[in-house]
Amino acid sequence: AQSVAQPEDQVNVAEGNPLTVKCTYSVSGNPYLFWYVQYPNRGLQFLLKYITGDNLVKGSYGFEAEFNKSQTSFHLKKPSALVSDSALYFCAVRDWGGSYIPTFGRGTSLIVHP
Amino acid sequence: SQTIHQWPATLVQPVGSPLSLECTVEGTSNPNLYWYRQAAGRGLQLLFYSVGIGQISSEVPQNLSASRPQDRQFILSSKKLLLSDSGFYLCALRSGNTIYFGEGSWLTVV
Repeated sequence: AQSVAQPEDQVNVAEGNPLTVKCTYSVSGNPYLFWYVQYPNRGLQFLLKYITGDNLVKGSYGFEAEFNKSQTSFHLKKPSALVSDSALYFCAVRDWGGSYIPTFGRGTSLIVHP
Repeated sequence: SQTIHQWPATLVQPVGSPLSLECTVEGTSNPNLYWYRQAAGRGLQLLFYSVGIGQISSEVPQNLSASRPQDRQFILSSKKLLLSDSGFYLCALRSGNTIYFGEGSWLTVV
């Protein structure tokens, strides 16, 4: 079985400050982990993924995420937030040995204040 | 790279009317295709999953059906819409280990 949790419904951060959007997961085997961003009235856009290798993954728009196996976490980070980063962020997980159907979190709304 | 087209982008339909949402993909062959619904701007619900022509897996029993008449075409249908069918419908495809989404279709049932 696989599951993912995004413990924060909303994250508020000031422009220029670092941001973190949290994600924890549970899988039977090894995880594939993903982050997506959704702007209002748009589809989800793929940001980055962890499959194997370096625990720090870099993705689009200056975002990065750190895979932490001991804490079963995959938090999304950015060193300096922009107002344009304000959007809904989804974490997803899939078990290596499972079907090609990932489980998505409920989403975290990121609000970056000018 | 692959492209996902969804139409119509928005639709307002009365209760009891039929529905057809279309999804076509380009730049890939024999893709795994998915229909998701997103209600209230939040969580995603997987509705249907297809690994090939005529092969549909239904994840949630409901008022909707899906068909895959061609390799790159995936259709979401209903014979009689309910108010609860309102939402944002997203078509997606799998490329390698990653799922990519289309721009979605907004359905409002009135």
